[in-house]
Amino acid sequence: NAGVTQTPKFRVLKTGQSMTLLCAQDMNHEYMYWYRQDPGMGLRLIHYSVGEGTTAKGEVPDGYNVSRLKKQNFLLGLESAAPSQTSVYFCASTDSGANVLTFGAGSRLTVL
Amino acid sequence: AQSVTQLGSHVSVSEGALVLLRCNYSSSVPPYLFWYVQYPNQGLQLLLKYTSAATLVKGINGFEAEFKKSETSFHLTKPSAHMSDAAEYFCAVGNRDDKIIFGKGTRLHILP
Repeated sequence: NAGVTQTPKFRVLKTGQSMTLLCAQDMNHEYMYWYRQDPGMGLRLIHYSVGEGTTAKGEVPDGYNVSRLKKQNFLLGLESAAPSQTSVYFCASTDSGANVLTFGAGSRLTVL
Repeated sequence: AQSVTQLGSHVSVSEGALVLLRCNYSSSVPPYLFWYVQYPNQGLQLLLKYTSAATLVKGINGFEAEFKKSETSFHLTKPSAHMSDAAEYFCAVGNRDDKIIFGKGTRLHILP
């Protein structure tokens, strides 16, 4: 089993460009999460989803959009990238809010 | 939503010494508490989780954590540190609105 797969692993953008990060899980999990990790800030929740077709805002949602059209996929979009969005992004999934998160390997995004 | 506070962004202990990493949660009792570990250039993996079944929770690699309601704490301990324990450790809380919120992390350094 692949678990949680994030693509791409690395990306460099110029300010104002747009891009989409893809998260795919093969565990039939209902819940999926996007976090960003910055030095000294830990992991901060951007958006999450409790099922296909649903999304909700986390702690730092501004500048990001998400979609969960299929249960196995959770997309994170940046419409107009800013240098402040330079970060490592982690996707995670679980079968309920009480359960253990399975994390992807991360996507390192640099915005110049 | 519940949040967690980790005291000490860096902790150094000698090999063989006691490891104590501190985590305090918001005032009301959270549904779920977790400790995760992140080794360099990797995603996060679960060490242990508290779900109210027992106040002392045992995890992997000899780690354990004790839930203390009177102190609103969920500190992580290990009796004897090993060089392989060097990593970043995150406390997290699962909320009833399905948000899973992480602390800022504590980087554990093991001195030879």
